Amino acid sequence: GAVVSQHPSWVICKSGTSVKIECRSLDFQATTMFWYRQFPKQSLMLMATSNEGSKATYEQGVEKDKFLINHASLTLSTLTVTSAHPEDSSFYICSARERLAGWTDTQYFGPGTRLTVL
Amino acid sequence: AQSVTQLGSHVSVSEGALVLLRCNYSSSVPPYLFWYVQYPNQGLQLLLKYTSAATLVKGINGFEAEFKKSETSFHLTKPSAHMSDAAEYFCAVSLYDKVIFGPGTSLSVIP
Repeated sequence: GAVVSQHPSWVICKSGTSVKIECRSLDFQATTMFWYRQFPKQSLMLMATSNEGSKATYEQGVEKDKFLINHASLTLSTLTVTSAHPEDSSFYICSARERLAGWTDTQYFGPGTRLTVL
Repeated sequence: AQSVTQLGSHVSVSEGALVLLRCNYSSSVPPYLFWYVQYPNQGLQLLLKYTSAATLVKGINGFEAEFKKSETSFHLTKPSAHMSDAAEYFCAVSLYDKVIFGPGTSLSVIP
């Protein structure tokens, strides 16, 4: 159980185009999903937190107009990189948190999406 | 504010030797603590988590970690390294809505 998928697993696009990445919780409902960015040989940096049915909360320094997040259902969140540029090339990972009885912060991670902007 | 430090960005061990990956945290209140493993070009897999139920936590693949409040540490160990353990390991601290990751430790296993 607790499987999170991402689509696509990798994408190459031209500079100036927009790219959408999907994150799905396959066997549980995710009230909260998280988007991370990881540069080579570095740790994960939280970009934003999205709660189903409400606006995402972005971390300081993350451009909300460039990285559009939509969490339209309890199993799907999307990240759209608008007007992508080479510096946006990175590994994007989503995670989803399953709310159990009691309080737990276990997050289940997707396999990641490799974005390369030419 | 929460933070996580991992001593040693790269650790090498011989196959069959003890694996010890260090993690120290800072948090104003007792946090939840996690260890994740990441294989190249893949997402993160949860190895184990501490949620205050027991200080010694056993995880998957023979890994375990001990929470020591006095030392604010949560070191990861495995008695005998296997070649398949070579990967990047991340310690993380969670409090409410955010998970903060450490910088990661790359583990190499020498045959």
